[in-house]
Formats: sequence, C-alpha cells, structure tokens
Amino acid sequence: DAGVIQSPRHEVTEMGQEVTLRCKPISGHNSLFWYRQTMMRGLELLIYFNNNVPIDDSGMPEDRFSAKMPNASFSTLKIQPSEPRDSAVYFCASSRQLAGYYEQYFGPGTRLTVT
Amino acid sequence: AQSVTQPDIHITVSEGASLELRCNYSYGATPYLFWYVQSPGQGLQLLLKYFSGDTLVQGIKGFEAEFKRSQSSFNLRKPSVHWSDAAEYFCAVSGGYQKVTFGTGTKLQVIP
Repeated sequence: DAGVIQSPRHEVTEMGQEVTLRCKPISGHNSLFWYRQTMMRGLELLIYFNNNVPIDDSGMPEDRFSAKMPNASFSTLKIQPSEPRDSAVYFCASSRQLAGYYEQYFGPGTRLTVT
Repeated sequence: AQSVTQPDIHITVSEGASLELRCNYSYGATPYLFWYVQSPGQGLQLLLKYFSGDTLVQGIKGFEAEFKRSQSSFNLRKPSVHWSDAAEYFCAVSGGYQKVTFGTGTKLQVIP
C-alpha cells in the first residue's frame, strides 16, 4: 500500500495568500484526520471526517481555515488568508474506522512557511 | 475528558543502555493506548497498541509497553537502545468512538 500521501511536502508563501494542502488517505480507510504540529503547541487535531463527513472541527483555529473531503480518496485543508503564525507542519492521517481502537496512519506532512 | 501526560520532555541515554519513557493517562473506562514514534522530518509511526488482555505489549523495533491500571500508566521500554532510536515518542489514548488524544511527546537523544 502507498500509505497516506500528502502534497506539497513543502510550501512557502507570503502572508495573505491562499494555501491549499492535499491529502490522499489509504484506500479502504473511512476516517481522515488533519493535525498541525508546532514547537510551541505540539500536535493539535484540527478536524476529522468519517465517511467523508466532518465530525468534529472544534480544533480549527479560526474561520480562515477550512477543510473538505469531496470523496473517499481526497481531502483538502485550505487557509485563506494565510498568516505567519500558521507556519507549522500539517499532517494528514487516516484509519479504517472512527472507533478508537483503530490506529491512525500518518502521512509525511506538509511543512508550511508563511513569510 | 481523556488526557495524556508525558512528564519527560527530553531524555538522553547512552547507546546500549535501557530505556523507559513514561506515560500517564486519564480516562474513565478501559482505554485504548498507543505509542507512536516520529523520526525527524517524518510523520508518526505506530510502535505498539494496547486494547485488552495481556498487560505487557510487544511492538516493533524491540519496544514493549506495560499497562498498569492502578497507576494509570503505559510506559514504553527497550532493553538496549540503538542510535537509530533517536526520535520523538508520543503516547496516545482513546476510548470507544472518541478521537485519539496525543501527549506532548518525549524527545530521545542517544549518545555513543
């Protein structure tokens, strides 16, 4: 299996620009998670989907962040407009089901730098 | 609400020495517990998991963890550390259909 695929791996953009991060989960996995990792705040869960439906977006920092999952094999996390404090590594993860005993498989992450 | 505490932010051990990383959790019922490892520039990889049964769980790369309900702990151990084990280690807890909660991580440095 190819694992969770994320693109781009690195993104450098200027403040105010729109940024779109992409994720392809493992085939057959029904749940998808977006995380943000920074030195200051550690690993934060932003939003997660089950069967393409957003279940909990309480971790999304503000309205500038949005996420979609139009089908079982693709999800996007969009930041518009971006700010320097959004600089972080963003991880996508997928699991077979939402049930807590299913481990999550993480992608390699997208390192976002907003100047 | 469930939570995880990893009291050690950074640990340094000599290569060949034994290792124990601490993890304490808070959850009202029987938890599902995980240890993940993150190498520099990589995503998190599952080392091992506990659901029920034998409280001593074996994982990949020679790691093991022991679930102690009375202490609400799930410490990770390895008898002999290799230089390639240098990474950050995350303990995580979940229950039922709840989302997984990760600890803040412990960075392991291995010195020759």
